[in-house]
Amino acid sequence: DARVTQTPRHKVTEMGQEVTMRCQPILGHNTVFWYRQTMMQGLELLAYFRNRAPLDDSGMPKDRFSAEMPDATLATLKIQPSEPRDSAVYFCASGLVRFGGLNQETQYFGPGTRLLVL
Amino acid sequence: KNEVEQSPQNLTAQEGEFITINCSYSVGISALHWLQQHPGGGIVSLFMLSSGKKKHGRLIATINIQEKHSSLHITASHPRDSAVYICAVRGITSKIIFGKGTRLHILP
Repeated sequence: DARVTQTPRHKVTEMGQEVTMRCQPILGHNTVFWYRQTMMQGLELLAYFRNRAPLDDSGMPKDRFSAEMPDATLATLKIQPSEPRDSAVYFCASGLVRFGGLNQETQYFGPGTRLLVL
Repeated sequence: KNEVEQSPQNLTAQEGEFITINCSYSVGISALHWLQQHPGGGIVSLFMLSSGKKKHGRLIATINIQEKHSSLHITASHPRDSAVYICAVRGITSKIIFGKGTRLHILP
């Protein structure tokens, strides 16, 4: 039963600390999405990767957030330094786009990382 | 005005009722997604539509590209359908815009 996994599931940290969230996409998938969900804003796209290359990170605060895919089995989202307003649930999702395909892949969501910055 | 509008925001219905949730958008899209978020927080993709209609079990999703409108229908609703249903549109580029969600509560 292939699933997207995310670690950690919960993280409590103090303002100013670095936070690293990890995502393992479904094996064989070539797209990865990072989302943030808050009560006020709902779901927002932070970053989008295809074949490990970042195609869109316009939703991400560049001064403190960074997203990478060191290899096809791992995506990371880092916040440095963290701030209380970063408290949210961060979801990773993966999908498969066929060669020459449009942006129409079904996305499979991970369970999320619930982050609380004090 | 939000680029993706969902209605209603909240819906309470009796078990067995036919449910309709609407989504209107104002941008050009390559696809529209319907997501389900359970009380525990997990998100499941229900449908990805670029035209026409799709059916899966008791769920039906339709889209009218010309009118920039999509509907999600649930037939013979059940308490386990209680969740937040979220509409998301995928722009011509990679941009994804989410609706605020419809909170559905089905009473036994």
